Amino acid sequence: DAGVIQSPRHEVTEMGQEVTLRCKPISGHDYLFWYRQTMMRGLELLIYFNNNVPIDDSGMPEDRFSAKMPNASFSTLKIQPSEPRDSAVYFCASTHGGSDTQYFGPGTRLTVL
Amino acid sequence: AQSVTQLDSQVPVFEEAPVELRCNYSSSVSVYLFWYVQYPNQGLQLLLKYLSGSTLVKGINGFEAEFNKSQTSFHLRKPSVHISDTAEYFCAVSEDTDKLIFGTGTRLQVFP
Repeated sequence: DAGVIQSPRHEVTEMGQEVTLRCKPISGHDYLFWYRQTMMRGLELLIYFNNNVPIDDSGMPEDRFSAKMPNASFSTLKIQPSEPRDSAVYFCASTHGGSDTQYFGPGTRLTVL
Repeated sequence: AQSVTQLDSQVPVFEEAPVELRCNYSSSVSVYLFWYVQYPNQGLQLLLKYLSGSTLVKGINGFEAEFNKSQTSFHLRKPSVHISDTAEYFCAVSEDTDKLIFGTGTRLQVFP
C-alpha cells in the first residue's frame, strides 16, 4: 500500500496567488482529514470528510480556504488568495470507519512570500 | 470542549536514559487517548493508544503510557532511549475516534 499521498511536497508562492494542495487517501478509507502545522499553533484540524461529504469545517480559518473531495480517492485544499501567515506544513490523513488510527501523509510545506 | 496540554515543549536526554513525556487532557466525557510520533520531515504515525481496558498501554519501539483518569493524564515513558527516538511526540484526545485534538507537541532530543 502506497500510504497517503500528498502533492506537491513543497510549494513556494507569492502573496495573493492561488494555492492548491492535493491528497490521495489510502484505498478503502472513507474518512479524510486536513491539518495545518505551525510553530505557533501546533497541529490544527482544518476540516474532515466522511464518504466525500464535509463533516466538520469549523477549523477552516477563513473564507480564503476551501476544501473539496470530488471522489473517494482525491481531495484538494485551496487557498485563494494566499497570505504569508498561511505558511505552514499541511497534512492530509485518512482512516476507515471503525478504526481509531489515522494515517498521515508526508505533508506539503507551503511558503508564501 | 476537549483540550490537551503537553507540559514540556522540549525534553533533552542522554542515550540509554529513561524518559517521560507529560500529557494532560480536559474533557467532560469519556475519551480515547493517543500518542503520535513525527520524525523529521515526515508525517505523524501512531505510537500507541488507549481506548478502554488496562490503563497501561504498550506501543511500538518500546514506549508505553499510563492512563490516569483521576489526574486526567496520559504520560508517555520509555525506560531506555536511543538516538533514533529523536522526534516530535504529540498527545491527542478524541471523544469518538473520528476527530482528534492534538497537543502542541514535545520535541525529544536524544544525545549520545
